[in-house]
Amino acid sequence: DVKVTQSSRYLVKRTGEKVFLECVQDMDHENMFWYRQDPGLGLRLIYFSYDVKMKEKGDIPEGYSVSREKKERFSLILESASTNQTSMYLCASSPWINSGNTIYFGEGSWLTVV
Amino acid sequence: SQQGEEDPQALSIQEGENATMNCSYKTSINNLQWYRQNSGRGLVHLILIRSNEREKHSGRLRVTLDTSKKSSSLLITASRAADTASYFCATDSYTGANSKLTFGKGITLSVRP
Repeated sequence: DVKVTQSSRYLVKRTGEKVFLECVQDMDHENMFWYRQDPGLGLRLIYFSYDVKMKEKGDIPEGYSVSREKKERFSLILESASTNQTSMYLCASSPWINSGNTIYFGEGSWLTVV
Repeated sequence: SQQGEEDPQALSIQEGENATMNCSYKTSINNLQWYRQNSGRGLVHLILIRSNEREKHSGRLRVTLDTSKKSSSLLITASRAADTASYFCATDSYTGANSKLTFGKGITLSVRP
């Protein structure tokens, strides 16, 4: 079974802190994604990566950065956390297929910024 | 930007009834997928239908796609309390070297025992 593991399930951080959300997948997938999910807004893509050291902005990249130094690991970084970044963050991965990708999700990380 | 729009936003039915959820989208797609999310968990893939397909079945799930109307429906037959979850449609509008999915806002399904 594909496994996407998010290192932290629940985090509470202070405004202005630098926050790292880590994600690891064990299926040698080329693509990895970070989404945030908010009530009434659904899932919104923050960043995605289709290869090591490659990244592309999604729909809402402001206030975030990412790092993909190894194929299996994709990190989301909040340089200076703000209260409006309180949300559920979902990491996902998928294989390199031109179309018809199934995306495999982690269990989510609930971040509260106080 | 969000492509898929699900309808209704919330649905409450009795166990044993069928649940029908709809998704509309705006631009051309290569395929459309449905995902399920249990409360507080990640999303799980349910079914994919390609743009050249009109209907697909998987167990108690039936998905239809009408590209002329830019819409899809997910039917869950003989619903169970365990089907209670949020359901999302996701569209794949791949045009380049890789594809990414765009998700709708989701439908909350409650199945009463």
